[in-house]
Amino acid sequence: QKEVEQDPGPLSVPEGAIVSLNCTYSNSAFQYFMWYRQYSRKGPELLMYTYSSGNKEDGRFTAQVDKSSKYISLFIRDSQPSDSATYLCAMSGSNDYKLSFGAGTTVTVRA
Amino acid sequence: EPEVTQTPSHQVTQMGQEVILRCVPISNHLYFYWYRQILGQKVEFLVSFYNNEISEKSEIFDDQFSVERPDGSNFTLKIRSTKLEDSAMYFCASSERLAVYTGELFFGEGSRLTVL
Repeated sequence: QKEVEQDPGPLSVPEGAIVSLNCTYSNSAFQYFMWYRQYSRKGPELLMYTYSSGNKEDGRFTAQVDKSSKYISLFIRDSQPSDSATYLCAMSGSNDYKLSFGAGTTVTVRA
Repeated sequence: EPEVTQTPSHQVTQMGQEVILRCVPISNHLYFYWYRQILGQKVEFLVSFYNNEISEKSEIFDDQFSVERPDGSNFTLKIRSTKLEDSAMYFCASSERLAVYTGELFFGEGSRLTVL
């Protein structure tokens, strides 16, 4: 079983739709959870960071963590064409220097 | 806005040749990292560097790889004898604090390495 699993998609939605992305993980030591956005030919950039179970909201973005199910989600409300990118989940344990990434989900928002 | 810069953006090399990828991290950052992404695959951790020494490395980071911070601004990744499977995008990243506590890892735009 892979340490972090993420459906690579691709996912295509109309402008204004809600985008729902998720990852599952197997390592119980993971305590910190992030979502990064990666545009084509660019490095990943941090979108959301959480370290506890529950919801965290930032503008149109909501991150959810369910540690009991080892499942994290990212929701994008009122999606825009500029949200078209690859979304990577990443996670880490408390004593780690490294982040473990999911495969990334490619999202296209159609105007 | 400060950013991580990487050179070269693309390098083509012959198998067996040495390659050095260069990075200038954000100036007040203390933690430095190399990740790589083989085409179509996930971003993979290679190595982290703090206080002038390697703090963690992955299984990928074998004796063919080395990192150096030769001066106060540059951070380099050397691959001594490249293999075909080293072809990938290599990302340098830096953070002010240990990235796991904030998620705030700043990535460069990457150096694409093609080994022929």
